[in-house]
Amino acid sequence: NAGVTQTPKFQVLKTGQSMTLQCAQDMNHNSMYWYRQDPGMGLRLIYYSASEGTTDKGEVPNGYNVSRLNKREFSLRLESAAPSQTSVYFCASSETPLRAQPQHFGDGTRLSIL
Amino acid sequence: AQSVTQPDIHITVSEGASLELRCNYSYGATPYLFWYVQSPGQGLQLLLKYFSGDTLVQGIKGFEAEFKRSQSSFNLRKPSVHWSDAAEYFCAVGAGGNTPLVFGKGTRLSVIA
Repeated sequence: NAGVTQTPKFQVLKTGQSMTLQCAQDMNHNSMYWYRQDPGMGLRLIYYSASEGTTDKGEVPNGYNVSRLNKREFSLRLESAAPSQTSVYFCASSETPLRAQPQHFGDGTRLSIL
Repeated sequence: AQSVTQPDIHITVSEGASLELRCNYSYGATPYLFWYVQSPGQGLQLLLKYFSGDTLVQGIKGFEAEFKRSQSSFNLRKPSVHWSDAAEYFCAVGAGGNTPLVFGKGTRLSVIA
């Protein structure tokens, strides 16, 4: 029972490099999310996908792109990494995005950009 | 738009003491409320949720939370804290329509002997 799996767990990049963070869920959930977590800032939503084939911007989408590859997978891409994107990234999923649905989280990707 | 405030950034309690973590929300309609816990190096785990009905909600690990509409609060409580409860705790509110949860900034709990 893996739940939400994120790869890689750790990554160090140089400024300007590109990187794709992978996320997969095995709960047959319709909705998936990408958050970043920074000290004192809590969780901030980057992008989400309410259902397969749709994506929407969250609170902090600049500098990121996403792809909902299929129902299971939702990737986050940094096209040209910047030091301000150093953070811990969490992927989450839920049955639907409706307000009553709790989210299930992966263990995070710790990304450092030098 | 909905919002969540967790007034306490960091709380320290002694093992065996009681705990209350505060959460205030802002939302026009009936809220759907959640508490999550994050252990170091881990993702968030759902502790409990409130949808409707009984305003006192029981969760996992001996936690409970009480919804008070008049105070726009959903405080998390535990009668006796264990050292393993040291973690970060997040309150979240579910908005209307097709939008994701909104999270508070979190409260870090330290437990001392």
